[in-house]
Amino acid sequence: DSGVTQTPKHLITATGQRVTLRCSPRSGDLSVYWYQQSLDQGLQFLIQYYNGEERAKGNILERFSAQQFPDLHSELNLSSLELGDSALYFCASSGLALANTGELFFGEGSRLTVL
Amino acid sequence: AQKITQTQPGMFVQEKEAVTLDCTYDTSDQSYGLFWYKQPSSGEMIFLIYQGSYDEQNATEGRYSLNFQKARKSANLVISASQLGDSAMYFCAMRRTDNYGQNFVFGPGTRLSVLP
Repeated sequence: DSGVTQTPKHLITATGQRVTLRCSPRSGDLSVYWYQQSLDQGLQFLIQYYNGEERAKGNILERFSAQQFPDLHSELNLSSLELGDSALYFCASSGLALANTGELFFGEGSRLTVL
Repeated sequence: AQKITQTQPGMFVQEKEAVTLDCTYDTSDQSYGLFWYKQPSSGEMIFLIYQGSYDEQNATEGRYSLNFQKARKSANLVISASQLGDSAMYFCAMRRTDNYGQNFVFGPGTRLSVLP
């Protein structure tokens, strides 16, 4: 158990719809990262938050948005969904690379299927 | 720009043999971290091993070792005594720190198949 919680684990929806994916980071971790993994593909970095502020943006579509709340949980909103948005969406968190290796801790992912 | 290259899309290894998964990275930073993650067919991402750029010794974790060659900018993962459960995707990643905090770059992955 990585300590990162993602909900829902599975989601099936139709094109044009909007969904929200939720992530609770590991206790004490201030950084949250979102990644998209399409079938048999690598991890595409979407966006990173640190203590409520956006820190870095990757290949995130304008139809997608995210935020990190004061309690440090994060939400990824996907709107006007298309078939190509079907993917596994990972949330990950990290702490300071001081006493440990500073690796990313991944949630189990939210598998989105758009029909 | 930071980049991770994994040149082996797929690899096969016989059970109980050792296998090396290649990873090269591109960075001008002096301080960075290198990681390997395993993703079995169930989908979760499992942290395997870490190497800091200032670490002089190669990292080892059980059957996993990281062959770190800093001058060549390579960080190959060696799995000894392969097991059927090692069949998975393996991702190499690099962490760097800038004014905005830490960020991570992942390679495209190598799919390892262990044959009985």
